[in-house]
Amino acid sequence: GAGVSQSPSNKVTEKGKDVELRCDPISGHTALYWYRQSLGQGLEFLIYFQGNSAPDKSGLPSDRFSAERTGGSVSTLTIQRTQQEDSAVYLCASSLGVGSTYEQYFGPGTRLTVT
Amino acid sequence: GEDVEQSLFLSVREGDSSVINCTYTDSSSTYLYWYKQEPGAGLQLLTYIFSNMDMKQDQRLTVLLNKKDKHLSLRIADTQTGDSAIYFCAESIGRGSTLGRLYFGRGTQLTVWP
Repeated sequence: GAGVSQSPSNKVTEKGKDVELRCDPISGHTALYWYRQSLGQGLEFLIYFQGNSAPDKSGLPSDRFSAERTGGSVSTLTIQRTQQEDSAVYLCASSLGVGSTYEQYFGPGTRLTVT
Repeated sequence: GEDVEQSLFLSVREGDSSVINCTYTDSSSTYLYWYKQEPGAGLQLLTYIFSNMDMKQDQRLTVLLNKKDKHLSLRIADTQTGDSAIYFCAESIGRGSTLGRLYFGRGTQLTVWP
């Protein structure tokens, strides 16, 4: 595709429900990143994928958060038993490779509101 | 740690220069970046500078890096109302398992008055 796309753009869910957020990276980009943007914490790294594997999961805030990537393309971020503090904008980015020299292209984000 | 600090707000008049400042803590940063975020949009990379450079100029944008003080700045010349956005400073440490990770500041909201 032309850019990184994310769906849904907005999600409102009740506390305790599970949610799935989807990211479609730019075609051919082997690296995919998830970040979270919230008022209290700014922009935080969550996890990144190189191909289908995740070398760095240390940014996931709790074991309620998980992510997977299949076929080296689409990724889903799953949040189980959502809490109000999970409310944030979840941003996905992709790049041709992993490392400082590769520009990360960001999607428009999914705004998650937990009521 | 990898703390990146920015002031939260900056207001300027159209036509003036804007200077957005950033400090970081990790001296092993390899690249430093400036991203722009407009309302409802994702982050757009504006420019970046490699850690062994002092200055980089790209049209209206000038990036200055002071490695000794771990200070980065973005100067926007002839600021326009279309430059109103949130500007994020970010660093890449670029080693080991954190190779792909960017560390962001909280962002500076730039407001340009006509």
